[in-house]
Amino acid sequence: DAGVTQSPTHLIKTRGQQVTLRCSPISGHKSVSWYQQVLGQGPQFIFQYYEKEERGRGNFPDRFSARQFPNYSSELNVNALLLGDSALYLCASSPRGQGVYEQYFGPGTRLTVT
Amino acid sequence: KQEVTQIPAALSVPEGENLVLNCSFTDSAIYNLQWFRQDPGKGLTSLLLIQSSQREQTSGRLNASLDKSSGRSTLYIAASQPGDSATYLCATGGGGADGLTFGKGTHLIIQP
Repeated sequence: DAGVTQSPTHLIKTRGQQVTLRCSPISGHKSVSWYQQVLGQGPQFIFQYYEKEERGRGNFPDRFSARQFPNYSSELNVNALLLGDSALYLCASSPRGQGVYEQYFGPGTRLTVT
Repeated sequence: KQEVTQIPAALSVPEGENLVLNCSFTDSAIYNLQWFRQDPGKGLTSLLLIQSSQREQTSGRLNASLDKSSGRSTLYIAASQPGDSATYLCATGGGGADGLTFGKGTHLIIQP
């Protein structure tokens, strides 16, 4: 079975631009979470979606938004990009929305803002 | 607010040694604790998940323990191999929708 997939692999944007990152969860998983990992740090929680609804949000500005589609795939949008948004963006899926289940991570999207 | 600390930040040992990575957390009201491996520039690979009611989990040469009362978890790696070289991250889950809280990781190098 395919694992969590993310696209694109790498992305270079200019300050002020907008970016959309995509994630497809493991088949049968209904929950998707997004994390930001800055170089040398552990991942930081951004959003959790379950059954197409936002169930949790981390301490990130409103420039960050996300949505989940009927097929449980998800998009993360970041507006008005700043240099500090440069990071590895990770998507994780789990069977359900509660924090009980094992999280499975995708390979990530490397975003560079210049 | 949960804080997760991993010690040491980096570790270099010869091949074949047994080693222990440490993880501590400030809020013992966790639902589970998960250990991950991350290769340079890559995503996270789940190694072990310990539910709050469990004391330990084992997978092959890996053994993870959990002591909620003291806010500690350890990852034991037996008979280390060069292929074990990676960054190891621990993360606590609160059981709600607030995601996982990660430590900064331990960068492990196994010398051939």
